[in-house]
Amino acid sequence: DAGITQSPRHKVTETGTPVTLRCHQTENHRYMYWYRQDPGHGLRLIHYSYGVKDTDKGEVSDGYSVSRSKTEDFLLTLESATSSQTSVYFCAISVSPPGQGHGEQFFGPGTRLTVL
Amino acid sequence: SQQGEEDPQALSIQEGENATMNCSYKTSINNLQWYRQNSGRGLVHLILIRSNEREKHSGRLRVTLDTSKKSSSLLITASRAADTASYFCATDTYGSSNTGKLIFGQGTTLQVKP
Repeated sequence: DAGITQSPRHKVTETGTPVTLRCHQTENHRYMYWYRQDPGHGLRLIHYSYGVKDTDKGEVSDGYSVSRSKTEDFLLTLESATSSQTSVYFCAISVSPPGQGHGEQFFGPGTRLTVL
Repeated sequence: SQQGEEDPQALSIQEGENATMNCSYKTSINNLQWYRQNSGRGLVHLILIRSNEREKHSGRLRVTLDTSKKSSSLLITASRAADTASYFCATDTYGSSNTGKLIFGQGTTLQVKP
C-alpha cells in the first residue's frame, strides 16, 4: 500500500456539517490525489497536489477544498456536506521514477462517507 | 466526462477460462493502466502500457494497446476464483502537464466461479 493511510475509515455526518478527510503517506512522494468512487461513475478526480501548498482542481471539485501544508499530509474538506457527497473517497500517490514520467498510482484503503 | 469506457460491464466465467476486458478512450494518451479492486478495498495497480508499446505481459495478464483505434484489452488467462474483482482502465492523458492525473473507466466486474 506504499505507506498510505486514510482517516477516518468510516464517517456518518449530517447535511451542512463540515468534514475533513486525511490522507497520510510515509514515502515523501510529491504527487497526491483525491478521488471519489460512486456506482456507475468509476473513480473521478476531485483535487490533486504536486507539492506543498501546490494544489489544483480535478473533474469534480465543486463543494470540496484541499490543503497540503506538509509533504506527507493531504487533507480534503467538505465545507458544508450534502447528501450528494455520500461516497467512498480514495487518496492516491503517483510513483514517478526519475526521467520516466508518471507511472502507477498507489491507493489508500478508502473512507466511506455517509451524509444524512 | 469519462475518458475510458469499458466493455463488458460484467463478466462471469468458470475457473480456468480466459477473461477479456476492453477499454476505449477518446484522446491521445501518454500511457494506459489497468487496476484491480477487490470488494471494499482500494485499487491495486496491475500493469502499465505506454503509448509507443503494443503489447505487454505480466504473469497471467496480457495487455494490448491500439492507439489508432484508441482501445486496449486486458486478458487474464487461466482464471482463478481469486481473480474475482472489478477491473478498471485508466489513462494518463497526453498534454496533462505531466501531473499524472488519471481518468478512469467505469470498470468491468469479473466473477470467476469455482
